[in-house]
Amino acid sequence: RKEVEQDPGPFNVPEGATVAFNCTYSNSASQSFFWYRQDCRKEPKLLMSVYSSGNEDGRFTAQLNRASQYISLLIRDSKLSDSATYLCVVNARNTGNQFYFGTGTSLTVIP
Amino acid sequence: DTGVSQNPRHKITKRGQNVTFRCDPISEHNRLYWYRQTLGQGPEFLTYFQNEAQLEKSRLLSDRFSAERPKGSFSTLEIQRTEQGDSAMYLCASSLGVGGDNQPQHFGDGTRLSIL
Repeated sequence: RKEVEQDPGPFNVPEGATVAFNCTYSNSASQSFFWYRQDCRKEPKLLMSVYSSGNEDGRFTAQLNRASQYISLLIRDSKLSDSATYLCVVNARNTGNQFYFGTGTSLTVIP
Repeated sequence: DTGVSQNPRHKITKRGQNVTFRCDPISEHNRLYWYRQTLGQGPEFLTYFQNEAQLEKSRLLSDRFSAERPKGSFSTLEIQRTEQGDSAMYLCASSLGVGGDNQPQHFGDGTRLSIL
């Protein structure tokens, strides 16, 4: 079983729509969670860390559900510039300091 | 720009040749990671350094791959006797970490390797 699993999509949504991605992780000892954004043929860039109580950054909201071992990312009022691949990243203390990446979820925002 | 720097950006070489990539992390970051990414996949962990010590290496990494971080600053990744399957984007990331607590990683632009 993969450490981190994501629905690869693609998600095609109109501008202004709300879209949500989920990501599940297999290691119950996971302790650090992040969402990264990756544009085509570019490096991943940190979008936001995910905190236990959930957190928001502008139009982006991240949630963590430890009981079900998943994290989510909600994007409100989608912009054309949100088109990218969104990578879920998990780190667990009992696997050293490795960061495990999902395969990414592709989002295209359509005018 | 004080971000993570990688060079070269692109490398094209014939099968069987050796290649070496360099990564300069963010200066105050003690941890440095190498990843490989192929199309449609997320970054795959290769190896990790804390300061100059190589603490972890992926089981998937063949003996043809070696990495160093001699002074705890920049790092090099060498691939010997390259094979076509080595074609990928090689990403370097750095972070600040103490014990089991990890801050987010910051990535360089990557080195895209193409094996002819």
